[in-house]
Amino acid sequence: AQTVTQSQPEMSVQEAETVTLSCTYDTSESDYYLFWYKQPPSRQMILVIRQEAYKQQNATENRFSVNFQKAAKSFSLKISDSQLGDAAMYFCAYRSASGSEKLVFGKGTKLTVNP
Amino acid sequence: EAEVAQSPRYKITEKSQAVAFWCDPISGHATLYWYRQILGQGPELLVQFQDESVVDDSQLPKDRFSAERLKGVDSTLKIQPAELGDSAMYLCASSLRGGSTDTQYFGPGTRLTVL
Repeated sequence: AQTVTQSQPEMSVQEAETVTLSCTYDTSESDYYLFWYKQPPSRQMILVIRQEAYKQQNATENRFSVNFQKAAKSFSLKISDSQLGDAAMYFCAYRSASGSEKLVFGKGTKLTVNP
Repeated sequence: EAEVAQSPRYKITEKSQAVAFWCDPISGHATLYWYRQILGQGPELLVQFQDESVVDDSQLPKDRFSAERLKGVDSTLKIQPAELGDSAMYLCASSLRGGSTDTQYFGPGTRLTVL
């Protein structure tokens, strides 16, 4: 079974600075998808960024980018120019490219943005 | 922008009582997921529907939990009888047609407290 580990329960960053959230995963599959979801307090979880395992190029969405290291099974999220609205729980998730469509989530990292 | 709707947002019940949660997916989305998120953990899939059919309910505690999506649109998740360990956030998500490339859109969740 696949597992996702987020080793940082909490992180903090100053507004306008850069922060990196870590995620590692374990799988025997060669083709899969990785995601970062953001869950603001009392609001729904939204997709931040997605990475296909067969793509070597790291995904980027505006201020959000990932560092995908397939051999190391590492998938970190970098948030540049942090804003107060980035404060939330961030979940790393895994999804198989075949078989089960369920998302396998890590335990999350709580990000605080200080003004 | 279309969103996944869930009700109620909060539910407090006593042990051994029955509770039910409702989810209305984004219009036209064929795939519906129910996840359970225990405090301090990431969400875990309980059940997945494709239209009105159950695709995956391997993690659903079938002795007390039931889920239905009779017309392939909205869905109800029921717990009877509720136990203290059922206290959690229950998240509903939907996607257009399922499949590993599809994005799952989450609702705001129902927070259940069992006393």
